[in-house]
Amino acid sequence: GAVVSQHPSWVICKSGTSVKIECRSLDFQATTMFWYRQFPKQSLMLMATSNEGSKATYEQGVEKDKFLINHASLTLSTLTVTSAHPEDSSFYICSAAQGANNEQFFGPGTRLTVL
Amino acid sequence: QKEVEQNSGPLSVPEGAIASLNCTYSDRGSQSFFWYRQYSGKSPELIMFIYSNGDKEDGRFTAQLNKASQYVSLLIRDSQPSDSATYLCAVLNSGYSTLTFGKGTMLLVSP
Repeated sequence: GAVVSQHPSWVICKSGTSVKIECRSLDFQATTMFWYRQFPKQSLMLMATSNEGSKATYEQGVEKDKFLINHASLTLSTLTVTSAHPEDSSFYICSAAQGANNEQFFGPGTRLTVL
Repeated sequence: QKEVEQNSGPLSVPEGAIASLNCTYSDRGSQSFFWYRQYSGKSPELIMFIYSNGDKEDGRFTAQLNKASQYVSLLIRDSQPSDSATYLCAVLNSGYSTLTFGKGTMLLVSP
């Protein structure tokens, strides 16, 4: 149980374009999902908390107009990186919380490269 | 600002030895603590969590929690080369559903 998928697993795009990443909980419903970003040799940094049916909560320093989050159903959250630039190149990972102790289970991640 | 501190390592142990990974946290109100394993280029996978003072065992892994000292540790018995990875300590922020992660400790188990 507690399987989370992400799509795509990697993407290369040109600067200025937008990229959408999907995160799905496959065997459970997740009212809350999380989006992280990880640069090489660094730890996970929480970008935002995605809540089903309401607006996402962004961490300080994360531009909500650049990183659009939509949590349309209990099993799907999407992150759209708008007008991507090379500095947005990173490993984007989503997670979904389950259980009384809010254990987070991570998707396999999406490696974004912006040329 | 809530902080989670880990020694970056690498921690090198021979195969079959016990690996001890440590973590301290700043938020005294935190109640739940998690250990994740992350292989290079992959996403984290949950090893175990602990919320009560003392020890919690799961197979070769033992998590230890001391809330008074704000200290969490993970022991890996009979370490295997396949255990070589970065181990992330995560703390559930009090009053929220978010986690704060440490920078991780790299473990290297040599055959």
